Amino acid sequence: DSGVTQTPKHLITATGQRVTLRCSPRSGDLSVYWYQQSLDQGLQFLIQYYNGEERAKGNILERFSAQQFPDLHSELNLSSLELGDSALYFCASSVFSGRDPFYNEQFFGPGTRLTVL
Amino acid sequence: GNSVTQMEGPVTLSEEAFLTINCTYTATGYPSLFWYVQYPGEGLQLLLKATKADDKGSNKGFEATYRKETTSFHLEKGSVQVSDSAVYFCALNRDDKIIFGKGTRLHILP
Repeated sequence: DSGVTQTPKHLITATGQRVTLRCSPRSGDLSVYWYQQSLDQGLQFLIQYYNGEERAKGNILERFSAQQFPDLHSELNLSSLELGDSALYFCASSVFSGRDPFYNEQFFGPGTRLTVL
Repeated sequence: GNSVTQMEGPVTLSEEAFLTINCTYTATGYPSLFWYVQYPGEGLQLLLKATKADDKGSNKGFEATYRKETTSFHLEKGSVQVSDSAVYFCALNRDDKIIFGKGTRLHILP
């Protein structure tokens, strides 16, 4: 158990809908990362938040957005969903040193499996 | 741009065999390099990392050496166990971006 929790575990929805994925980091970790893992695109970094502020951005679509709240939990919002958004979405957390966002070890949650029908 | 290429799987070996999973990268400057492992039904775990040329990362019997001259970071283990069955991802970190290879599925037979 990494200490990172994600809800829900599974989500099934229809095209055009909007969903919210939730992540709670390990106790004491200020940094949260979101990743998408799909069969065709592989594993991709989406976005990182540190102590409530966006710190690094990867291949995140404009239809997707994220935020980190004062209690450090984070939400990933996916809107206007398409079939191709079906994937496993991982959240990770780390102790961020303030330099390289990927320098310190990240601890991954179990993921949310999103199926868009 | 930056990219990571790792050998396609699946790789199937018998227990106690020697393992090599090849990884090469393309990047400007001096990226940090990582190997992550994903066990069935779980998220990724950092296996080892190296942050500069000639560094050797090691953990749980696995090793990888950062070779700048060949732009490689091959993963090796001298004697694999059934419990090593998983998907292994090579990754690089440069300019606040992390890029993963497509993953190599490893099956170890008892």
